[in-house]
Amino acid sequence: EADIYQTPRYLVIGTGKKITLECSQTMGHDKMYWYQQDPGMELHLIHYSYGVNSTEKGDLSSESTVSRIRTEHFPLTLESARPSHTSQYLCASSESRLQETQYFGPGTRLLVL
Amino acid sequence: ILNVEQSPQSLHVQEGDSTNFTCSFPSSNFYALHWYRWETAKSPEALFVMTLNGDEKKKGRISATLNTKEGYSYLYIKGSQPEDSATYLCAEGIGYALNFGKGTSLLVTP
Repeated sequence: EADIYQTPRYLVIGTGKKITLECSQTMGHDKMYWYQQDPGMELHLIHYSYGVNSTEKGDLSSESTVSRIRTEHFPLTLESARPSHTSQYLCASSESRLQETQYFGPGTRLLVL
Repeated sequence: ILNVEQSPQSLHVQEGDSTNFTCSFPSSNFYALHWYRWETAKSPEALFVMTLNGDEKKKGRISATLNTKEGYSYLYIKGSQPEDSATYLCAEGIGYALNFGKGTSLLVTP
């Protein structure tokens, strides 16, 4: 079982609120990722980081922001939540090696009312 | 094929049946093919990663094959059990360029 954690697991929040989704891993992986998944759809990459102080946007445009101040921690923030942000958010990490299997957290299901 | 495609979308089998599903991907610029099992309310679990044409991997009753020339991979489950019920995802690529299919949802009933 991979050691990657996400909190909260479920969140129901009103429009306009600021939220932070937490992701931590204890495997010492350099690379971390945030994916968004809507029901019945593929996982889409919204952010990634290849190390401390390194963050990049993924192929799916997102109003969220991320930070990577510590290797183990990769939080995602929405400054002002909207109903269109309702989705499932999955965090993953991987080593920097040839096959780079990504290990996933259990996800956060976000509902914005 | 431009994207990663999985079929069927869902599958319902009886305990003891063997089953298989397909992942199709663009055969040009292939890097690696990953299979994951994702049970409800749990983390997606890595099953296999394959890179070479003709690769075959096995883990217990689950096995996978890879054809990079024609751009497909098969996942086989022999003698399905209720605990095999999950969504099976495939993904092609590496790192920030990992493209996922929509998954095949498997339900195994006793």
